[in-house]
Amino acid sequence: QQQVKQSPQSLIVQKGGISIINCAYENTAFDYFPWYQQFPGKGPALLIAIRPDVSEKKEGRFTISFNKSAKQFSLHIMDSQPGDSATYFCAASRMDSSYKLIFGSGTRLLVRP
Amino acid sequence: GAVVSQHPSRVICKSGTSVKIECRSLDFQATTMFWYRQFPKQSLMLMATSNEGSKATYEQGVEKDKFLINHASLTLSTLTVTSAHPEDSSFYICSAKEGRAGGYLGDEQYFGPGTRLTVT
Repeated sequence: QQQVKQSPQSLIVQKGGISIINCAYENTAFDYFPWYQQFPGKGPALLIAIRPDVSEKKEGRFTISFNKSAKQFSLHIMDSQPGDSATYFCAASRMDSSYKLIFGSGTRLLVRP
Repeated sequence: GAVVSQHPSRVICKSGTSVKIECRSLDFQATTMFWYRQFPKQSLMLMATSNEGSKATYEQGVEKDKFLINHASLTLSTLTVTSAHPEDSSFYICSAKEGRAGGYLGDEQYFGPGTRLTVT
C-alpha cells in the first residue's frame, strides 16, 4: 500500500513534443505529490508538487494533473527540449509520517533534437 | 534559496575503514533531514530520517550500527559508514526539510548533490 507505481520506464520524445509520465498510488492518506528531475551523477531537483485539493498545477512548461478518485497523477512536459533529457521520479508522502517520500521507480526521458 | 550541500562529492576508501559524509542546509534551518542511497539506474531508497537533537529513525533493513547518523544542529547532519565493504559502494544523497510552521519553504524536501562512495 506504500508503493508508488511509475510508467513508462523510459520515454523518447522529439524536440517540441509533449512528454507524459504517469504515477499511481494506493494509500489514500498520501497528501503531497512532488516530481523530481535527476541528471546523471547529481541529486534530484524538485520540479513541481501538488496537493490533493487541486486537480492541476502548472509551472512554466511543467504541469501536474491529479486524479484523486483514480489515485493517479501525471507530469506533462510541454515543448520538450533536449535539455529535459533526464530521469524523472514521482513521489508521495504523508504529513503524519514526517513527510517521508515514497519514490516511484523513475522514467528515463530522452528528447531527440 | 533552499540549497543543500554534501561533502565530499566523491570518496574512495579501503574495505574496513569508516567514511563520514556531511549534509548541510546552506540558507535555511532544517528540522528534518533524510538520507537515501541509490544504486545505478534505480530509484532512491530511504535509509533514515533524522530530526535535530534526537536519534535517527532507520528504515526496515538498514543497519543502524553500520550507518551512523548525527543531526547535531539545524544545518548539519552527518552519515558515517562504519567498517565499509564493497557492497556499501553506492550514491548517497541527503535531503532537508525546513518543517517550521509558516516557513517559506513549506513542506518541500530539497536534495543535496550526492556523494559517490566507492569501497575497494
